[in-house]
Amino acid sequence: GAGVSQSPSNKVTEKGKDVELRCDPISGHTALYWYRQRLGQGLEFLIYFQGNSAPDKSGLPSDRFSAERTGESVSTLTIQRTQQEDSAVYLCASSLTGLNTGELFFGEGSRLTVL
Amino acid sequence: EDQVTQSPEALRLQEGESSSLNCSYTVSGLRGLFWYRQDPGKGPEFLFTLYSAGEEKEKERLKATLTKKESFLHITAPKPEDSATYLCAVLDSNYQLIWGAGTKLIIKP
Repeated sequence: GAGVSQSPSNKVTEKGKDVELRCDPISGHTALYWYRQRLGQGLEFLIYFQGNSAPDKSGLPSDRFSAERTGESVSTLTIQRTQQEDSAVYLCASSLTGLNTGELFFGEGSRLTVL
Repeated sequence: EDQVTQSPEALRLQEGESSSLNCSYTVSGLRGLFWYRQDPGKGPEFLFTLYSAGEEKEKERLKATLTKKESFLHITAPKPEDSATYLCAVLDSNYQLIWGAGTKLIIKP
């Protein structure tokens, strides 16, 4: 497809379990971002990948959160030992270069519910 | 601390009733201000980039303006399909993108 693809679209898990969320960016986009959006709130930055540079992990809320990206393609966000406060929509975005233009292309998100 | 505040939180308008959404910001060295539209269950969709005070951008019934402290998204003669949450984000001097919480716009036919 032409857009950013995320899977799963919905995930319900039990507290303490690990989850993996996947993002397939637009082909050719060097920059990839993960955000968290809680209900009725703005986007909370998690992590940013740009080409082969070291990722900016400054937004990851705890060491339970980690993300990887294979080259300039797929990225996986992993949340270990999930907690109820992790419940949110996790959005992935990609852009052709960096943030200068502010034009990010978002996927539809992965809605995570931790029971 | 850099901050972006959007108001109102929600706005209900009749079809054809023009109004404005506000995005006020406090950032160290604005590199750009961006408006996005988000429909329920979808990711945000880019609308505009504004770089300097006095700049304006238009797209259909939407016009975005920028001053040194705030941006307005003016909506003229809105239609029900304009109903969405409108998000504002600013890029600061450290290339950090800071998002507002959004304004939920509802246009009633």
